[in-house]
Amino acid sequence: GESVGLHLPTLSVQEGDNSIINCAYSNSASDYFIWYKQESGKGPQFIIDIRSNMDKRQGQRVTVLLNKTVKHLSLQIAATQPGDSAVYFCAENRGSGGSNYKLTFGKGTLLTVNP
Amino acid sequence: SQTIHQWPATLVQPVGSPLSLECTVEGTSNPNLYWYRQAAGRGLQLLFYSVGIGQISSEVPQNLSASRPQDRQFILSSKKLLLSDSGFYLCAWSSGAANTGELFFGEGSRLTVL
Repeated sequence: GESVGLHLPTLSVQEGDNSIINCAYSNSASDYFIWYKQESGKGPQFIIDIRSNMDKRQGQRVTVLLNKTVKHLSLQIAATQPGDSAVYFCAENRGSGGSNYKLTFGKGTLLTVNP
Repeated sequence: SQTIHQWPATLVQPVGSPLSLECTVEGTSNPNLYWYRQAAGRGLQLLFYSVGIGQISSEVPQNLSASRPQDRQFILSSKKLLLSDSGFYLCAWSSGAANTGELFFGEGSRLTVL
């Protein structure tokens, strides 16, 4: 079975609010995590990644937090916009040396931004 | 810049017919190549990956096969499609040299088997 899952399958927020999407993983050997955004009918797009030797990483309007103690990953989107509406996937990589041969994806969270 | 193309974008095929989905990558050499399948409302399941020409690893037993006849070409095939083969198929590549772990996906091919 999958070791990467999401607590909330859907999330609805108001435009301008902050969004938090959560993800749990079960494999303590996973050393690399990625968040992807998938718009309807399109391929997933890379948002941000984090290695297991970090607990926080920031990008443009997005922040990923990693809590290895409880095997939890979250994606925070600041000032959510309608264009952020999409399905968000977390993925873990159990490969060695950064190899992503074994990238395992969660089921995804559908984020809907209301104007 | 690197680009990835896969086709066809949509395909409707009868049960028992053959399948060929093609993926090509431009702007990079010796990429790692992947085929994923996404069922409706589900995550992405890795089907095949390749680290070089003629080198294919299968992740799950299934009715599909993959081939890599050229460095930047990856093909997903089936001799006889099943209803359960319906889904959204995604080709992806990653740098075989860099250590970033980032996957770049194509736009996907939606297959409906009737």
